[in-house]
Amino acid sequence: GENVEQHPSTLSVQEGDSAVIKCTYSDSASNYFPWYKQELGKRPQLIIDIRSNVGEKKDQRIAVTLNKTAKHFSLHITETQPEDSAVYFCAASIARGQFYFGTGTSLTVIP
Amino acid sequence: GAGVSQSPSNKVTEKGKDVELRCDPISGHTALYWYRQSLGQGLEFLIYFQGNSAPDKSGLPSDRFSAERTGGSVSTLTIQRTQQEDSAVYLCASSHGQGWDEQYFGPGTRLTVT
Repeated sequence: GENVEQHPSTLSVQEGDSAVIKCTYSDSASNYFPWYKQELGKRPQLIIDIRSNVGEKKDQRIAVTLNKTAKHFSLHITETQPEDSAVYFCAASIARGQFYFGTGTSLTVIP
Repeated sequence: GAGVSQSPSNKVTEKGKDVELRCDPISGHTALYWYRQSLGQGLEFLIYFQGNSAPDKSGLPSDRFSAERTGGSVSTLTIQRTQQEDSAVYLCASSHGQGWDEQYFGPGTRLTVT
């Protein structure tokens, strides 16, 4: 099956700096890559996603890039704010209903 | 409208007992997922229901785990003869089911097996 690895496991940045979280996947058939944000004590929520026919997608301060050849994708958060502090999960999907999640990155934005 | 709900929010059980966890998806969502989240770990896929199709059970860790979805709505995850390693947060999610769309997660059930 698919194997998703996520790095780093923890990340601290100063407010206003950028944060980058990277994920790799093993199955070249994966074609959908969502990112979820989980604040402390809350449920995961989708923040951005990308499909395999696109190399980059941006939504305000958040962007995701995908390199299909290298089988890795990254989340970029610019101008970080304290409310960006949370655990971020990447995921890869081969087929509808089959989602393989990374182990999460705990991001702390220091004011 | 109402989001995904799960009950109970917390469950403490003795090793060897059976437990049932309930998920109420968002009305009209045809897809329903169960995940397990252990401390410091990601979301482990357990099972996926889509409409009236046979569920994808490929993620269930053992035959002690089973799930059903009645009437295409409410789902119950059953763990028989619970073990300490079953302790985790069990999350349910639902989606419209039209392609790869956003999953809406419930608040989870924290299961502790003593």
